[in-house]
Amino acid sequence: DAGITQSPRHKVTETGTPVTLRCHQTENHRYMYWYRQDPGHGLRLIHYSYGVKDTDKGEVSDGYSVSRSKTEDFLLTLESATSSQTSVYFCAIRETTGGEQYFGPGTRLTVT
Amino acid sequence: QQQVKQSPQSLIVQKGGISIINCAYENTAFDYFPWYQQFPGKGPALLIAIRPDVSEKKEGRFTISFNKSAKQFSLHIMDSQPGDSATYFCAASRGETSGSRLTFGEGTQLTVNP
Repeated sequence: DAGITQSPRHKVTETGTPVTLRCHQTENHRYMYWYRQDPGHGLRLIHYSYGVKDTDKGEVSDGYSVSRSKTEDFLLTLESATSSQTSVYFCAIRETTGGEQYFGPGTRLTVT
Repeated sequence: QQQVKQSPQSLIVQKGGISIINCAYENTAFDYFPWYQQFPGKGPALLIAIRPDVSEKKEGRFTISFNKSAKQFSLHIMDSQPGDSATYFCAASRGETSGSRLTFGEGTQLTVNP
């Protein structure tokens, strides 16, 4: 699992509430990514980070924000959750050499 | 805009047969093409990857074939086993300047019957 943990693993929340998902890595990789996975869409990039306090948007960033104050933690926040954000969220890290991305175990989020 | 198109959506193969999954891409700037395997309830796991300077890469029973002129690449699973039953995703990225962001295909659900 490349030393990646995600928390929580499952969450049910109500529309309009804020939600923060955490990705933690133990191997000091520079690049970290947040993807969402939905049936028929594969995985789509939400945001990524290329260093502490350095982040950029992906293809489906609307409604999401991220923060990275430490190398090991990358947080994804839904400021006001909507039902369309019901999904499985995956964090990934990328090794600097070679470029391979490795994924965490995922967080299943349900917005009711 | 779907930049990586994957087919078929689902595939059923008999044990010992060859599974073939195809992907086509549009962006000629893509320079890294991985395949991921995902079991239910798990995160995608990197299976094999190729760069466009080679036309084929083999690792055990898994082979990627790459056709740069056609902008296509495919995964071949030889001697398919029931344990290979999973969802497979192709992906592509275009290097350091874009953060090596992966663009994924929609996935292929492979079932290998015993």
